[in-house]
Amino acid sequence: EIVLTQSPGTLSLSPGERATLSCRASQSVSSNYLAWYQQKPGQAPRLLIYGASSRATGIPDRFSGSGSGTDFTLTISRLEPEDFAVYYCQQYGSSSYTFGQGTKLEI
Amino acid sequence: QVQLQGSGPGLVKPSETLSLTCTVSGYSTSSGFYWGWLRQPPGKGLEWIATIHHSGSTYFNPSLKSRVTISLDTSKNQFSLKLNSVTAADTAVYYCAREGRVGTTRFDFWGQGTLVTVSS
Repeated sequence: EIVLTQSPGTLSLSPGERATLSCRASQSVSSNYLAWYQQKPGQAPRLLIYGASSRATGIPDRFSGSGSGTDFTLTISRLEPEDFAVYYCQQYGSSSYTFGQGTKLEI
Repeated sequence: QVQLQGSGPGLVKPSETLSLTCTVSGYSTSSGFYWGWLRQPPGKGLEWIATIHHSGSTYFNPSLKSRVTISLDTSKNQFSLKLNSVTAADTAVYYCAREGRVGTTRFDFWGQGTLVTVSS
């Protein structure tokens, strides 16, 4: 099983700042199979990024994804108040999905 | 707009079977996507459970495979999950989701989630 480790566990920033979230895999992951989700309290996760760098429909361009192999990054260029949430990375490999433990982005 | 609505009992007794159904609107389950179940224990992260395609192909989380059944009824545009021999560790919010697997993989539409508590 591929283990995804996200860092930091909690990130404290202010609106207007830049956020950089990391996702590291225990073995190489195909970029096609790396996605990022945002989850707010009491809500289902929302797809932000798939294929490591493609934005999902309706996602603002302040969200961007990058990386390859075992290291992937989600960047939010200028934080808006609605961006404070928990973010998960997810990979698909060996016919199975795994998720990272999440990064909480707080004000 | 694709919408998914999960339904089922919110309370299941230990050792019994958890049964959930997801009703899809705005898209046909007999078309080119896959349909999956995921869960999230209270205050914890996400776990994929299983996926089904209208071709009959099924995929399971190895850690849950022995206890899981997933099925699809394209005539009703619904898919279902059964998890047997439940324990308190199966208490979670259960999500149904549409899954894309062509070229890239992702869960692009999600149901609102159903909280299932395992307790006597």
